Amino acid sequence: QKEVEQDPGPLSVPEGAIVSLNCTYSNSAFQYFMWYRQYSRKGPELLMYTYSSGNKEDGRFTAQVDKSSKYISLFIRDSQPSDSATYLCARESSGGYNKLIFGAGTRLAVHP
Amino acid sequence: GAGVSQSPSNKVTEKGKDVELRCDPISGHTALYWYRQSLGQGLEFLIYFQGNSAPDKSGLPSDRFSAERTGGSVSTLTIQRTQQEDSAVYLCASSQGLRGAETQYFGPGTRLLVL
Repeated sequence: QKEVEQDPGPLSVPEGAIVSLNCTYSNSAFQYFMWYRQYSRKGPELLMYTYSSGNKEDGRFTAQVDKSSKYISLFIRDSQPSDSATYLCARESSGGYNKLIFGAGTRLAVHP
Repeated sequence: GAGVSQSPSNKVTEKGKDVELRCDPISGHTALYWYRQSLGQGLEFLIYFQGNSAPDKSGLPSDRFSAERTGGSVSTLTIQRTQQEDSAVYLCASSQGLRGAETQYFGPGTRLLVL
């Protein structure tokens, strides 16, 4: 079992839809989780991070961690064509906060 | 300000040749990371430099891979005797190097193709 599992998609939605992106992880000992966004032929950029359980909101984006079910989610409200990208979830590793374990990424396409 | 830069953007090489990939981190960032991203795969941690400490090389897949960081700034990832399975995007990131979790800023990557 991979340490962080993520459905690769692709996921195609119409503009304005609510998007739900999900990851599962295998080790509940870790508390720091991140979502990165990667546009085509670019490096990933940090979108949001959460620490421990609960929700964190930033504009149209909400990150949610459910430690009991080992589930990480990213919700995008009012999705825009500019949100079309690959979304990567990540968590800290036993090597420390900055040694990250990434999921494979979910490719999202928002069409006008 | 300037972000993380990497060179070359693309590299095509023949199996068995050595390649060097370069990373220029954000000025003042003491932490530097190398990752590998294969097609359809997530980022795979390779190596981590923090200041003057010994690098964490635990992610390097074989002894054909090595990296150095000169003067606490520029880093070079070297792959010796390249194999076709080395084909991937090699990403470099840097961060301030403070205690605890912090944002890693990624460069655009070097796309390596081994024929």
